[in-house]
Amino acid sequence: AQSVSQHNHHVILSEAASLELGCNYSYGGTVNLFWYVQYPGQHLQLLLKYFSGDPLVKGIKGFEAEFIKSKFSFNLRKPSVQWSDTAEYFCAVNPINAGNMLTFGGGTRLMVKP
Amino acid sequence: DVKVTQSSRYLVKRTGEKVFLECVQDMDHENMFWYRQDPGLGLRLIYFSYDVKMKEKGDIPEGYSVSREKKERFSLILESASTNQTSMYLCASSSLGTGSDNYGYTFGSGTRLTVV
Repeated sequence: AQSVSQHNHHVILSEAASLELGCNYSYGGTVNLFWYVQYPGQHLQLLLKYFSGDPLVKGIKGFEAEFIKSKFSFNLRKPSVQWSDTAEYFCAVNPINAGNMLTFGGGTRLMVKP
Repeated sequence: DVKVTQSSRYLVKRTGEKVFLECVQDMDHENMFWYRQDPGLGLRLIYFSYDVKMKEKGDIPEGYSVSREKKERFSLILESASTNQTSMYLCASSSLGTGSDNYGYTFGSGTRLTVV
């Protein structure tokens, strides 16, 4: 069975620090990739997505992610975090032969200290 | 603004009760999903539906059932609630689009269920 691994369960950063959250998946075929964010008390929202083309994807709020096919990875990055980025981040994978099914990682809880 | 609405934000139920969690979407989406969210475990799929009256088991269907009588509504049923079903329950919907039409899921705000 396919799986999605987020290696960092909790990350604590100071404002202006750079962020990189890891995401690896086990599926060997073609995939669509997503990052979702859940701010405290709010519902999950789509941060960015990759389908094809340029492996460096830019999303909302200054986030970006790079798809490295050879490493089965889709890491999320932001050059300079803000206190308002405090949230839980979920990576998700959709194999293209699985319809609209998403498999989620376990989530990474980010806390940014002001 | 598209929406997935879950009827209750917080619920407290007793062990053995039958519990209904309701989800309604206004986007005419074909697919609907129920997940539970637990710390460190991420989102785990309970059941999903691709069409009216159609349901498929997800990864953790035991102790749950679902109902989809209308396209816009997808109900999760706990036949006999137990304390290990205390969790955050998330409903989501998506269209059948693939490739760049696949915008992923739209989530509801969640229902935090406590079984005592």
